[in-house]
Amino acid sequence: GQNIDQPTEMTATEGAIVQINCTYQTSGFNGLFWYQQHAGEAPTFLSYNVLDGLEEKGRFSSFLSRSKGYSYLLLKELQMKDSASYLCAVRESGGYNKLIFGAGTRLAVHP
Amino acid sequence: DTGVSQDPRHKITKRGQNVTFRCDPISEHNRLYWYRQTLGQGPEFLTYFQNEAQLEKSRLLSDRFSAERPKGSFSTLEIQRTEQGDSAMYLCASSHPSGENEQFFGPGTRLTVL
Repeated sequence: GQNIDQPTEMTATEGAIVQINCTYQTSGFNGLFWYQQHAGEAPTFLSYNVLDGLEEKGRFSSFLSRSKGYSYLLLKELQMKDSASYLCAVRESGGYNKLIFGAGTRLAVHP
Repeated sequence: DTGVSQDPRHKITKRGQNVTFRCDPISEHNRLYWYRQTLGQGPEFLTYFQNEAQLEKSRLLSDRFSAERPKGSFSTLEIQRTEQGDSAMYLCASSHPSGENEQFFGPGTRLTVL
């Protein structure tokens, strides 16, 4: 079966660091994506991991452990505009690139 | 190119009516996807096109739903005999065959069935 779990909500303080975890169980694996989605808007691509390890992109980093079925998104130097939902999505192997999304983590950044 | 566009952005219809949505992908993106998203959930895959060929359909796509991409460019998603449970955001995404294949999403069409 397919199962992607991430916390429903998180809160953090402006300027701080927050880590959003994602665990997955899917039929095959061909990459993990993180998307950001502000309320009422479309998801926007943040990061992609297909090999184990850390990928860094400015204030955002994403980590993957395929053996553990685990990923996290790390956001540094939080800003108010980072308040959004963060979606973890897995691309299964053998398919046509469709993404299986988790329900998303709503992050609220407070001053 | 300004990205993926969708039309209309909002649609309110009465139960039993038919609706059609349009998606224009990023040019040179031969892969096109439709997803449905309800409040508090992540997007759920509906269907996938590579050029004009519809290669995969989700079980979520009942026989009331049909999607086309006749010339391998824009796509349409039609819902016949709408039901209140069809109320959702319908998202279109496209991707290029090279690179990481990240999907770029359009702004979505929010459907409300009364």
